[in-house]
Amino acid sequence: AQSVAQPEDQVNVAEGNPLTVKCTYSVSGNPYLFWYVQYPNRGLQFLLKYITGDNLVKGSYGFEAEFNKSQTSFHLKKPSALVSDSALYFCAVRDGGTYKYIFGTGTRLKVLA
Amino acid sequence: DSGVTQTPKHLITATGQRVTLRCSPRSGDLSVYWYQQSLDQGLQFLIQYYNGEERAKGNILERFSAQQFPDLHSELNLSSLELGDSALYFCASSNPDRESNTIYFGEGSWLTVV
Repeated sequence: AQSVAQPEDQVNVAEGNPLTVKCTYSVSGNPYLFWYVQYPNRGLQFLLKYITGDNLVKGSYGFEAEFNKSQTSFHLKKPSALVSDSALYFCAVRDGGTYKYIFGTGTRLKVLA
Repeated sequence: DSGVTQTPKHLITATGQRVTLRCSPRSGDLSVYWYQQSLDQGLQFLIQYYNGEERAKGNILERFSAQQFPDLHSELNLSSLELGDSALYFCASSNPDRESNTIYFGEGSWLTVV
């Protein structure tokens, strides 16, 4: 069965420092991978996706993610964190066979001023 | 604004009651997904419809049902409500022929069961 894991419930980083939010996945076949962000009392907003091609994917708000097939990871990164990046981040994988989108448990990012 | 519209935004109801949540997908999107988000369960996939037909089913309780209408809007019906059904219910939509399978979420419907 398809699954994603976000091993950290919370990540704290100082403003201006680089940030990484981790995600690993388990799929059969080629993975379709996504990152979403959720601000308080809001819906999930799409950040970026990997379908095929370049392993480094660039997305909204300066975020990027690196697809690593050998490590089955799709970590979200940003070179310089902003306080406004503080939110809940979800990694997701699409099950190509059933069209389900499976979400991780979420990682709360806190950027400290 | 994702283009996915959900109503109502907030709903408070009593145990044992029935409620209907409504979702209008983005223009042109044929697929609708329903998710439940609660504090202790994360984001749980409930059900997906594609052009009126059920396509995938997740952890949806028998007390819950959904449908997608010819105009592509969808409704999630929750009956015999229990306190544990209190959660944020999200609808999302996508068009596989456009934007490579990205799904876009509405702002959610907050359900509180008292």
